Amino acid sequence: NAGVTQTPKFQVLKTGQSMTLQCAQDMNHNSMYWYRQDPGMGLRLIYYSASEGTTDKGEVPNGYNVSRLNKREFSLRLESAAPSQTSVYFCASSEYRKGEQYFGPGTRLTVT
Amino acid sequence: GQQVMQIPQYQHVQEGEDFTTYCNSSTTLSNIQWYKQRPGGHPVFLIQLVKSGEVKKQKRLTFQFGEAKKNSSLHITATQTTDVGTYFCAGRDFGNEKLTFGTGTRLTIIP
Repeated sequence: NAGVTQTPKFQVLKTGQSMTLQCAQDMNHNSMYWYRQDPGMGLRLIYYSASEGTTDKGEVPNGYNVSRLNKREFSLRLESAAPSQTSVYFCASSEYRKGEQYFGPGTRLTVT
Repeated sequence: GQQVMQIPQYQHVQEGEDFTTYCNSSTTLSNIQWYKQRPGGHPVFLIQLVKSGEVKKQKRLTFQFGEAKKNSSLHITATQTTDVGTYFCAGRDFGNEKLTFGTGTRLTIIP
């Protein structure tokens, strides 16, 4: 099992460009999450999907949209990238809402 | 909203010394999880504590959940170079069940 996979691993965008971060899990988990990690800030939840067909805002949703494409896949879209969105983005999944979370390897995004 | 603070932010220890990180929540938690992130890596789940006053051990790691379920600690005995990384607590709020991560404690080991 690959666990949680994320693409791309690295990305550089110019201000105003758009992109979609892809995440997939092969553990048949119900819940999926998108976090961003900035130095000294820990992990902050952007959006989550408690189950297939549902999505909810987290702590820092502004500037992002998500799609739970099916049970396996949960994508994060930046419609108009800003330098403040330079960060490391982690996708995670858990069997159920309250369970332990399994993280993907992360996407390092730089917006210039 | 819920805030989860961790101290210290950084800790440098000689190999073989003990290490402790503390986690404090502004609200009562339903449970708390601990994760470890190696440099350049992703967070990896270590343990979950649910009961008031709970203590769990994993080899040299001891995890405690406070009686009031508002604080927790992770203690590592006789650190090794493999312990290097950032340790995060993550508290789940009773009210909205959202998981909030602490700011983390970065542990470095001096050989």
